[in-house]
Amino acid sequence: AQSVAQPEDQVNVAEGNPLTVKCTYSVSGNPYLFWYVQYPNRGLQFLLKYITGDNLVKGSYGFEAEFNKSQTSFHLKKPSALVSDSALYFCAEQTGANNLFFGTGTRLTVIP
Amino acid sequence: NAGVTQTPKFQVLKTGQSMTLQCAQDMNHEYMSWYRQDPGMGLRLIHYSVGAGITDQGEVPNGYNVSRSTTEDFPLRLLSAAPSQTSVYFCASSQRGSTDTQYFGPGTRLTVL
Repeated sequence: AQSVAQPEDQVNVAEGNPLTVKCTYSVSGNPYLFWYVQYPNRGLQFLLKYITGDNLVKGSYGFEAEFNKSQTSFHLKKPSALVSDSALYFCAEQTGANNLFFGTGTRLTVIP
Repeated sequence: NAGVTQTPKFQVLKTGQSMTLQCAQDMNHEYMSWYRQDPGMGLRLIHYSVGAGITDQGEVPNGYNVSRSTTEDFPLRLLSAAPSQTSVYFCASSQRGSTDTQYFGPGTRLTVL
């Protein structure tokens, strides 16, 4: 069964510093991995996805994620954090039936 | 395009009441789904549909019914509301391919007293 883990409930980073939000997955084979962001009282917004190909995926708002098959990880990164990046971030794995299995979420706070 | 729309935005029910959460999309997406979001648990799949007339259960289907009579609409029915169904409910849609991105509605916050 699919399983996605986000080991950190909360990540704090100073504005202008690089940020990383961690995600690991458990399925064997070729996973389809997604990152979504949720701002307060809003729905989920798509950031980026890994399907196949280049292990470094670039997405919206300057975010990128690195797929690492040997470590079964798909960490979200941004070179320079903005206060407006403060939100709840979800990693998810999509099955062949289009169903998403989500991690428990990581709350990112960017400190001015 | 309005994308994925959900109504109502907020709802308070008493235990035992029934209601329907509405979801509509105008992107001609074949796949639609319902998730619930609870603190510390991420989002969990309730029901999904791969096309009009086809529905299936997700991870947490008990207490919920769905139907898909048109491509555009995918309502979620609570048959007899329970406090455990207090949650935020999100509808999503996508093309049918397993690599296609899902687009989420703004959510319905439901409280069952």
